[in-house]
Amino acid sequence: QKEVEQDPGPLSVPEGAIVSLNCTYSNSAFQYFMWYRQYSRKGPELLMYTYSSGNKEDGRFTAQVDKSSKYISLFIRDSQPSDSATYLCAMSGQGAQKLVFGQGTRLTINP
Amino acid sequence: EAGVVQSPRYKIIEKKQPVAFWCNPISGHNTLYWYRQNLGQGPELLIRYENEEAVDDSQLPKDRFSAERLKGVDSTLKIQPAELGDSAVYLCASSLGGVGEETQYFGPGTRLLVL
Repeated sequence: QKEVEQDPGPLSVPEGAIVSLNCTYSNSAFQYFMWYRQYSRKGPELLMYTYSSGNKEDGRFTAQVDKSSKYISLFIRDSQPSDSATYLCAMSGQGAQKLVFGQGTRLTINP
Repeated sequence: EAGVVQSPRYKIIEKKQPVAFWCNPISGHNTLYWYRQNLGQGPELLIRYENEEAVDDSQLPKDRFSAERLKGVDSTLKIQPAELGDSAVYLCASSLGGVGEETQYFGPGTRLLVL
């Protein structure tokens, strides 16, 4: 069983929809939680960074961490075609240096 | 500010041949990472450098992979000999290092195809 599980999709939604992306994990030592966005043939870019539990909002993006359930989510409001990409969750324990990534969810926003 | 630079962007080789990838991190970033990303998977850490010291190489297949970061700036990852299963994207990332400065910035990657 992988330390981090993420549904690979693909997920296809119409423009303007609310998108929910999720990951579960098994290592209770994880404290740092991140979401990366990766466009085709590009490197991942950091989208959201959360330490421990709670919510964090940045524009149309909201990240949630529930450590009790070992479950993290990323919500995208008012989704745009430019949001079409693969979304990777990543997490680490003490210090945020040794990241463990999920498989990535491929998302398509249809105009 | 320039991002992480990697070269080449693409490489096609035959199995058993050697191959090398180069990475130049963001200026001032002390920590450098090499990841491998298989098709449809997330990146997996191969090695992490703090300046010129490899502080985590537990995931590096040392029988065929080697890496160096001379002078604590740019880095080279080498595979010799390459195997079919090494086909993947090799990503380099860098961060400032230190507490609160762990955000990793990724380069575009080198896409390797072994025939």
